[in-house]
Amino acid sequence: QKEVEQNSGPLSVPEGAIASLNCTYSDRGSQSFFWYRQYSGKSPELIMSIYSNGDKEDGRFTAQLNKASQYVSLLIRDSQPSDSATYLCAVNLAYSGAGSYQLTFGKGTKLSVIP
Amino acid sequence: NAGVTQTPKFQVLKTGQSMTLQCAQDMNHNSMYWYRQDPGMGLRLIYYSASEGTTDKGEVPNGYNVSRLNKREFSLRLESAAPSQTSVYFCASRPDRNYGYTFGSGTRLTVV
Repeated sequence: QKEVEQNSGPLSVPEGAIASLNCTYSDRGSQSFFWYRQYSGKSPELIMSIYSNGDKEDGRFTAQLNKASQYVSLLIRDSQPSDSATYLCAVNLAYSGAGSYQLTFGKGTKLSVIP
Repeated sequence: NAGVTQTPKFQVLKTGQSMTLQCAQDMNHNSMYWYRQDPGMGLRLIYYSASEGTTDKGEVPNGYNVSRLNKREFSLRLESAAPSQTSVYFCASRPDRNYGYTFGSGTRLTVV
């Protein structure tokens, strides 16, 4: 069973702090990784993608990937109350059939940013 | 730019009724997907279409059928609805396997 694991939280951080969200995955062959943000009652929204080991920065968001440790993380700097949402980690995994890839999602970490 | 459009947004069915959830994307994406999201279970893949003309089962296909009508449209059918199919259903698409998904706004389905 190919799995993607996240701490369900809730993770509470004060406004202005750094929020750190973590994700581990089981398939060593995975090559692409994504972070989604989902507000309550809304659909998931893609916020970061990462394909190579190391860090990728986009505004207040930094994604980190370590393929040897099968670990991907998302850092949110200067956290704002509007960042309060559930964050989903997604890993691109080969499913069945040649060339068939789908995203397998973790169950999400609920983040609360306290004013 | 509409992206991925799902209809309807809300639906209540009686046990045994049938219905079709519609999904259309205007981004010329090759691959389309249907997921369901349940509390504590996360997003689970029901069916997918890697390209026009192909469909395959995902993790939880029982009780569902799909049709990839053309490159834009991918529908999900419940032939005989059961209370266990009460869920939020999301359609998604992407250009190819190297990209993340774009999701539709979802259909909240209740089966009583």
